[in-house]
Amino acid sequence: SQQGEEDPQALSIQEGENATMNCSYKTSINNLQWYRQNSGRGLVHLILIRSNEREKHSGRLRVTLDTSKKSSSLLITASRAADTASYFCATDFGNQFYFGTGTSLTVIP
Amino acid sequence: DGGITQSPKYLFRKEGQNVTLSCEQNLNHDAMYWYRQDPGQGLRLIYYSQIVNDFQKGDIAEGYSVSREKKESFPLTVTSAQKNPTAFYLCASSQSGPWDEQFFGPGTRLTVL
Repeated sequence: SQQGEEDPQALSIQEGENATMNCSYKTSINNLQWYRQNSGRGLVHLILIRSNEREKHSGRLRVTLDTSKKSSSLLITASRAADTASYFCATDFGNQFYFGTGTSLTVIP
Repeated sequence: DGGITQSPKYLFRKEGQNVTLSCEQNLNHDAMYWYRQDPGQGLRLIYYSQIVNDFQKGDIAEGYSVSREKKESFPLTVTSAQKNPTAFYLCASSQSGPWDEQFFGPGTRLTVL
């Protein structure tokens, strides 16, 4: 069964706006990672947040983790057309790990 | 120029044929992975390996086989037993295990004719 589920499935915003996508999971995790995939390409790692961390920043990215709600959010501020991509969360627990189904983000110039 | 390479980029296969997808990394990573991605879907794990000569099945290993004879290479064979092999295949590597950042190759798009 799939561990991570992203919400929304698709998101369309204007350039300059902020984009927020969420990831929910079912069991306690060790780490949660976010990846980006441009159409037809491999995934690129964005950020890793450990289970004992609540928030991390990297450039225009802000990730939060709420272990009590078993959820994480990825915020992209001041979005650009180049941010158009699919975004996936990945969770690991024990010796298992899963990628979610992804959020497809479209940033309109 | 370090990274992970996959070949070929596009692959066509007739039904009933086995085909092998190549994956090579020069990052000196111990762990390597194969994923399958169907249109509009997330990634599903086929096999992974954390050390040479050892590998574990993922969620959808049936109809696939792998080998890990060298640290830098993790080829995937799609056998004729795989019922619906048309998909996008992604190879990845990480330093030790899935808790580390995974580096992905560009993918191989396999089409069964």
